[in-house]
Amino acid sequence: EDKVVQSPLSLVVHEGDTVTLNCSYEVTNFRSLLWYKQEKKAPTFLFMLTSSGIEKKSGRLSSILDKKELFSILNITATQTGDSAVYLCAVEPLTGANSKLTFGKGITLSVRP
Amino acid sequence: ETGVTQSPTHLIKTRGQQVTLRCSSQSGHNTVSWYQQALGQGPQFIFQYYREEENGRGNFPPRFSGLQFPNYSSELNVNALELDDSALYLCASSSDWWETQYFGPGTRLLVL
Repeated sequence: EDKVVQSPLSLVVHEGDTVTLNCSYEVTNFRSLLWYKQEKKAPTFLFMLTSSGIEKKSGRLSSILDKKELFSILNITATQTGDSAVYLCAVEPLTGANSKLTFGKGITLSVRP
Repeated sequence: ETGVTQSPTHLIKTRGQQVTLRCSSQSGHNTVSWYQQALGQGPQFIFQYYREEENGRGNFPPRFSGLQFPNYSSELNVNALELDDSALYLCASSSDWWETQYFGPGTRLLVL
């Protein structure tokens, strides 16, 4: 069974800090790893990673995947209060038939002013 | 915003009742996936519909069923509600089953 473990489960930082969120996974026939940000309700897509060692960036957020060690990290630099949210990591297996995402429990990030 | 809409936003039911949740996929999307998110947990895959056919199912009992319509909107039906069914129900749509999934705002279901 596919498995995703995120750490830490929660953290509190101050505005301007840099944070690193961790995601380790086990999946049969890996296809992709995805990061979502969840504020209140709808998870919002951040990144999809398929290749090892290639960093994806969007503004202050960046993410990288290590397919050998089976983990990914999400970095947020110069954090702002608007970054406060739950960050979800999910893996997608290569089934050839459907796309079933397996999520971790999420990391609750609180950014204090 | 993703363009995926869900209704209702909140719902309260009692044990044993039946419920229907609705999802309108983003324009141009033919795939809808449903997830259950219990408090403090990540979303869990219920099932996926692709072009009106069920296209994969997670570890949920048969009392969880669904439909996808010709316009690719979808329904999730849950019969014989149990207290543990209380959760946020999310639907996600994608332009094809292998493409990125975009989530709607969810329906919060409380079973008393």
